[in-house]
Amino acid sequence: AQKITQTQPGMFVQEKEAVTLDCTYDTSDQSYGLFWYKQPSSGEMIFLIYQGSYDEQNATEGRYSLNFQKARKSANLVISASQLGDSAMYFCAMREGLRGGATNKLIFGTGTLLAVQP
Amino acid sequence: EAGVVQSPRYKIIEKKQPVAFWCNPISGHNTLYWYLQNLGQGPELLIRYENEEAVDDSQLPKDRFSAERLKGVDSTLKIQPAELGDSAVYLCASSLDPSGGADNEQFFGPGTRLTVL
Repeated sequence: AQKITQTQPGMFVQEKEAVTLDCTYDTSDQSYGLFWYKQPSSGEMIFLIYQGSYDEQNATEGRYSLNFQKARKSANLVISASQLGDSAMYFCAMREGLRGGATNKLIFGTGTLLAVQP
Repeated sequence: EAGVVQSPRYKIIEKKQPVAFWCNPISGHNTLYWYLQNLGQGPELLIRYENEEAVDDSQLPKDRFSAERLKGVDSTLKIQPAELGDSAVYLCASSLDPSGGADNEQFFGPGTRLTVL
């Protein structure tokens, strides 16, 4: 069965520093997608970044990058130059299958609460 | 472009009462999802619609939960009767469709926070 594990319930980081949020996953599928979402106190889930299982390059989106280590089944999120507005819950999620045939069902981890300190 | 709209944002009811949540997805998005998010947990899928058809409702407790998406656009999730353990945030999300691109991310609404007393 698919499973996402986020072992860091909470993290602190100083403003302007980089932080890594850990995510490991378990699946027997060869084709899958990995997502990171941010959930501020307002409640909505904001999509940050996506990595496909066959993508050779690590995904990057602005200050967000995904450190994808397929053999270790890890997909850590790196936030560079942290800002106060980055304080939120961060969820790692997995979807089995890629385009065409994907169910688009997301399995989420339990999240990491990030607090950025001035 | 408007995002996913949900209402109400907050709802407080007594146990055994019925409650309904409404969701309007992003225009043009064929796929709609309802998720349940308990405190301190990630969202869990309750039901997924492709247009007006429920294609995955395996996690929906059908004895008390029901959902509909009659015209393939907005959707309603109902609980009748509500129990204390139903207190949670109910999130609605939408996406283009399963073959709509490699990432085809889901866009989420702000959620409805339900408190059952």
